[in-house]
Amino acid sequence: SYELTQPPSVSVSPGQTARITCSGDALPSQYAYWYQQKPGQAPVLVINKDSERPSGIPERISGSSSGTTVTLTISGVRAEDEADYYCQSADSSATSVVFGGGTKLTVL
Amino acid sequence: QVQVVESGGGVVQPGTSLRLSCAASGFTFSTYGMQWVRQAPGKGLEWVAVISYDGSITYYAESVKGRSTISRDNSKNTVYLQMNSLRPEDTAVYYCAKAEAPTVTTGVGFDYWGRGTLVTVSS
Repeated sequence: SYELTQPPSVSVSPGQTARITCSGDALPSQYAYWYQQKPGQAPVLVINKDSERPSGIPERISGSSSGTTVTLTISGVRAEDEADYYCQSADSSATSVVFGGGTKLTVL
Repeated sequence: QVQVVESGGGVVQPGTSLRLSCAASGFTFSTYGMQWVRQAPGKGLEWVAVISYDGSITYYAESVKGRSTISRDNSKNTVYLQMNSLRPEDTAVYYCAKAEAPTVTTGVGFDYWGRGTLVTVSS
């Protein structure tokens, strides 16, 4: 079955830039979406279609795509950004949705 | 405003069935696909099933295929997840979420999520 691969954890100091990657063979043909989830809360969509920011998401959160890897970038990281981040996409036939395993962002 | 509210969770024994409901409001329900996603305690998100805006297309994760059915009633703005032959590994918080673009079923993000309903499968 199709899989998306994320690093389990990323740590950065406040004010630095955090980059979280997500790799999958179908990403060149399928959009990726990113969600932020804080403890005890539902996921929040933070990036749409590889790089679009939904309304209300700060400009310091951005997304990019290159080949089989998509990247979520958070610039000027703040303590409030500490959360789990998940990428989501579809398989090449668009008949299955898949989430990456999630990346825990720790703000040191 | 857009609201998505799940219900129907609880503690059930292995091998039994459960139907989850998801009531939506604040948008034109009949034009958006909906999905169910679950999260086992301390684990990541796992996609469960998705249904098209008109109910004509459904897709399932392998882990629930053949045991679960997603459906919707556009007259009631509600989507359902019927789960049969429940197993301990089905224990999770089940979230319902709305597609961020109309008429698209997969290859789309999900922009509004409910708070989830907890399903515990235990003897």
